[in-house]
Amino acid sequence: DAGITQSPRYKITETGRQVTLMCHQTWSHSYMFWYRQDLGHGLRLIYYSAAADITDKGEVPDGYVVSRSKTENFPLTLESATRSQTSVYFCASSDVYLSSYNSPLHFGNGTRLTVT
Amino acid sequence: GEDVEQSLFLSVREGDSSVINCTYTDSSSTYLYWYKQEPGAGLQLLTYIFSNMDMKQDQRLTVLLNKKDKHLSLRIADTQTGDSAIYFCAESPHFTGGGNKLTFGTGTQLKVEL
Repeated sequence: DAGITQSPRYKITETGRQVTLMCHQTWSHSYMFWYRQDLGHGLRLIYYSAAADITDKGEVPDGYVVSRSKTENFPLTLESATRSQTSVYFCASSDVYLSSYNSPLHFGNGTRLTVT
Repeated sequence: GEDVEQSLFLSVREGDSSVINCTYTDSSSTYLYWYKQEPGAGLQLLTYIFSNMDMKQDQRLTVLLNKKDKHLSLRIADTQTGDSAIYFCAESPHFTGGGNKLTFGTGTQLKVEL
């Protein structure tokens, strides 16, 4: 099932460059999320979006920008990449307002970003 | 803020039971989840438990919740090599105002040896 796709799978960029990670979901879920995964930290929420044109900060938003002009897309931009942003980034979606097993978070396969 | 903690590694022999533990701090947690991450993939929901339950069994999986101690565990019976993965505990507060905005633990890497 196509579900939620992230691109690229791997990206190497230099310090100071702008880079955009893409996320696309085919379920028309209202909510979309960006997490970063780092050893020893688990997953930390960067930004999330409740609907098109509605976004909000998560736990670690500094250095990132998001947009949601269409329900199905939720790109994450690093405006000026730093080495500390080397990580694996996961996009997720959900179609409920409150927690519900019937609609858990659905994750993409991740983007491994290396900043040199 | 909320905090969810897990041990980083667990190694078991094939056929044995695995027990992965998790502690959390948010007493208003409504749902607690276990997610599984296989190499190179995203997370997939494994099972969940509602906060008014003590135990939930789902085939080889048993989830135990001690709400007083804020302790959650996942027991995998008859562990197989295919169970080798990273297991994440996650909690969701009663009312997030932001969808299914989960707080994840650090993840426990389960290694199953022959």
